[in-house]
Amino acid sequence: GAGVSQSPRYKVAKRGQDVALRCDPISGHVSLFWYQQALGQGPEFLTYFQNEAQLDKSGLPSDRFFAERPEGSVSTLKIQRTQQEDSAVYLCASSLVRARGYEQYFGPGTRLTVT
Amino acid sequence: QQPVQSPQAVILREGEDAVINCSSSKALYSVHWYRQKHGEAPVFLMILLKGGEQKGHDKISASFNEKKQQSSLYLTASQLSYSGTYFCGTALHNRNTGTASKLTFGTGTRLQVTL
Repeated sequence: GAGVSQSPRYKVAKRGQDVALRCDPISGHVSLFWYQQALGQGPEFLTYFQNEAQLDKSGLPSDRFFAERPEGSVSTLKIQRTQQEDSAVYLCASSLVRARGYEQYFGPGTRLTVT
Repeated sequence: QQPVQSPQAVILREGEDAVINCSSSKALYSVHWYRQKHGEAPVFLMILLKGGEQKGHDKISASFNEKKQQSSLYLTASQLSYSGTYFCGTALHNRNTGTASKLTFGTGTRLQVTL
């Protein structure tokens, strides 16, 4: 079946603009994760959903970052008043298992550049 | 709590073997291995759960030493397609709940296979 998809693939925003990044997980996958990946680094955890419930948002860097998954499927990561340090690739991953610690399948990511 | 990967980079000739190591100072619930090519999503390779085990498919295998909290990824008879950055991700074991924490990734090992 189809893998995890993300849109847009590339986003350029002027500093101060709001952006919304979308993630379509693999159908039937209960768990959904957002990560931020800086150039040359491994992905860093942002937040975790189990169905529509956001169970862990400890990795969100500031209150400008907000994520939702209202119907337990598609998820949106919103960044308000973007700053240059927000420039990174934002990865979404999903997992069939209703728990963390199990295999996750990643989408291609959204490369955000804040100018 | 970020796992430590070694080596940072390795260059191989096609057909040669390589070992990538991942170690943690904390008790692990699971170790995940991913390969990421430039500009692409991390691709899931395998997961090893606590209890100490070894897994493999084709010419890629991995081991997990629970006592040492270390995992090693073994690439045998490397192919050009093995080139990329390898990340280990570790989930800690929450002894109170018996569940896993968020996935934390190492800084990666850049592998280049040449003719």
